[in-house]
Amino acid sequence: ETGVTQTPRHLVMGMTNKKSLKCEQHLGHNAMYWYKQSAKKPLELMFVYNFKEQTENNSVPSRFSPECPNSSHLFLHLHTLQPEDSALYLCASSQDQRQGRNYGYTFGSGTRLTVV
Amino acid sequence: QKEVEQDPGPLSVPEGAIVSLNCTYSNSAFQYFMWYRQYSRKGPELLMYTYSSGNKEDGRFTAQVDKSSKYISLFIRDSQPSDSATYLCAMSVAGGFKTIFGAGTRLFVKA
Repeated sequence: ETGVTQTPRHLVMGMTNKKSLKCEQHLGHNAMYWYKQSAKKPLELMFVYNFKEQTENNSVPSRFSPECPNSSHLFLHLHTLQPEDSALYLCASSQDQRQGRNYGYTFGSGTRLTVV
Repeated sequence: QKEVEQDPGPLSVPEGAIVSLNCTYSNSAFQYFMWYRQYSRKGPELLMYTYSSGNKEDGRFTAQVDKSSKYISLFIRDSQPSDSATYLCAMSVAGGFKTIFGAGTRLFVKA
């Protein structure tokens, strides 16, 4: 494991289901991210939390709802998804980047989501 | 125009070859440049990190940034089959939380 743990690794859900993705990091990082990775497309930033506060919501549909109870845990709640939402959802963490420096992210292995 | 352009490949080379991977970008404010390696069924892993222009070397890997041309490169010397993966370039401005990623180049190193 990389230090960022995502569960579940695979998820198949119907369009009327509600499910949640979980992410946990014990690297002492203060920022956590959700990214969507679709085939042959760049990673799409969805949400950013820094010190538990949401700092970015990249025009994500409301059927995706993030939750960050503390700096170590991040959730993505899913409801009434569409088949085009099928993708690899990646969680990442980093140091606080407000000081100006970007030392890169540590990613989890992702949750492969299939919406049927 | 996309902020970051990266040739998706695939790129296939024989073992031992020198590999060159490249990205171009349009935002002159980018100051942090990164390369990630992503194996199949895994998340991206930070490989190289560079601030501003110049070169950085780490073992068989060399990252180059040419801000005047808005062009970054990753060179892999003595490539190995274990280097077969997708390589993502990424970059950001200072002080923000948005890192922009390229679409990735799929690399195959044949034994």
